[in-house]
Amino acid sequence: GENVEQHPSTLSVQEGDSAVIKCTYSDSASNYFPWYKQELGKRPQLIIDIRSNVGEKKDQRIAVTLNKTAKHFSLHITETQPEDSAVYFCAASRATDSWGKFQFGAGTQVVVTP
Amino acid sequence: GAVVSQHPSWVICKSGTSVKIECRSLDFQATTMFWYRQFPKQSLMLMATSNEGSKATYEQGVEKDKFLINHASLTLSTLTVTSAHPEDSSFYICSAAGANQETQYFGPGTRLLVL
Repeated sequence: GENVEQHPSTLSVQEGDSAVIKCTYSDSASNYFPWYKQELGKRPQLIIDIRSNVGEKKDQRIAVTLNKTAKHFSLHITETQPEDSAVYFCAASRATDSWGKFQFGAGTQVVVTP
Repeated sequence: GAVVSQHPSWVICKSGTSVKIECRSLDFQATTMFWYRQFPKQSLMLMATSNEGSKATYEQGVEKDKFLINHASLTLSTLTVTSAHPEDSSFYICSAAGANQETQYFGPGTRLLVL
């Protein structure tokens, strides 16, 4: 089955700096890679996703890159703000196969200090 | 759009009792719903996949007789924790797959505490 590894487990950044979180996956058939942000005690919220036919996607301060050959994808947050502090999870799935089950990474606790 | 609700948001029960958690997709039909369990400072662990009108598919190590899942309609799935014990205390979150069957939208979660 799919195995997703996520690094780092914690990330502290100064406000205004960039944050990068990296994930690797094992199943070459995975073709959908979402990123979720979860604040303490709340539901995971989808912040960006990417499909395997695309190498990069950007939405304002957030971007995701995908390297299918190396089987890794990364989340980039620029100009970080205190409200970006949360736990971020990457996931991989075979969309439309196996009911689109997600395999989540272990999560990254991001702390943005003013 | 793509709003998922979950009820109750928290529950405290005595050991040995059963607890039912409801997951509803409010503004879309969800053929597939997922149930996760999340322990403090850990990732989301998939428990089972629920398809409308059919039996749920459980992940390895999850007891189907203990965690009963029913997906009776395209907008409602329920998880019943039977004979709950303190080790079942956790944060239970459901998700519903959107129309493209790719993205999952999560409910707000149910915090279960078994005394």
